[in-house]
Amino acid sequence: NAGVMQNPRHLVRRRGQEARLRCSPMKGHSHVYWYRQLPEEGLKFMVYLQKENIIDESGMPKERFSAEFPKEGPSILRIQQVVRGDSAAYFCASSPSAYSNQPQHFGDGTRLSIL
Amino acid sequence: DAKTTQPPSMDCAEGRAANLPCNHSTISGNEYVYWYRQIHSQGPQYIIHGLKNNETNEMASLIITEDRKSSTLILPHATLRDTAVYYCTLGGGADGLTFGKGTHLIIQP
Repeated sequence: NAGVMQNPRHLVRRRGQEARLRCSPMKGHSHVYWYRQLPEEGLKFMVYLQKENIIDESGMPKERFSAEFPKEGPSILRIQQVVRGDSAAYFCASSPSAYSNQPQHFGDGTRLSIL
Repeated sequence: DAKTTQPPSMDCAEGRAANLPCNHSTISGNEYVYWYRQIHSQGPQYIIHGLKNNETNEMASLIITEDRKSSTLILPHATLRDTAVYYCTLGGGADGLTFGKGTHLIIQP
C-alpha cells in the first residue's frame, strides 16, 4: 500500500471531541475516496472528492461528518462531536482519474477509538 | 448492498492454485470487475481488474465468463502470505466501490 499516506494510524478521542483524519494521495492522483470499515464488516464508501470539490457524498452521515480536499495539502475527514459508534477503521483511496479502468489504491487506514 | 456474491471462506493447500469465485449477475456494460485483498490491520491491496477479457499480472489471473455474470480469481501457487480476505467488487467511472464481506482465504501448510 505504499503511496497513499494516512495519518495518524491510530487516534483515540473521548466522546464529544473532534477527530481529524488526513490522507495524502499517491503522486499524480487527484481523486480521493474515503471508506469506513466497522469490525467484521466490509468497507463502506463515504465520499469522493477531487481537488477543491466534493463529487459524491452519498455515503456520508448527514450530521457531524465533513470532508475536504484543498488545492494544497492532504484531504481531511472531520468528525465532530464523536460518539462511540464512530469507532472504526477509516480508509482513504486515490486514483489518477475517474475512468473505469483506473483502480483505486488504498492507504493503511486510521483506527479511530472513542472512549 | 454489495452487487457481488462470494463464499464466506475457502481453504487451499500451500503451493496449489487458489480459485476464488464471484457472482455479479447484475453487472452493467461499463462496469469493471475489481479484486482486492485485505490482510489483517492493513488497507485493501489492489490485485487485478478486467472488463470482459481474461487478465493476468504478476499476482494473479482473472477469468470472466462470456456473459460477464461471474468471474474467478486465480492465485497460481498459493503461499501462506496469501491468507487474507479477498473482495470482488464492481467499478464504473467515478463511483465509490461497494464491498461485501468477501472470501476469507486460508492457506494451509
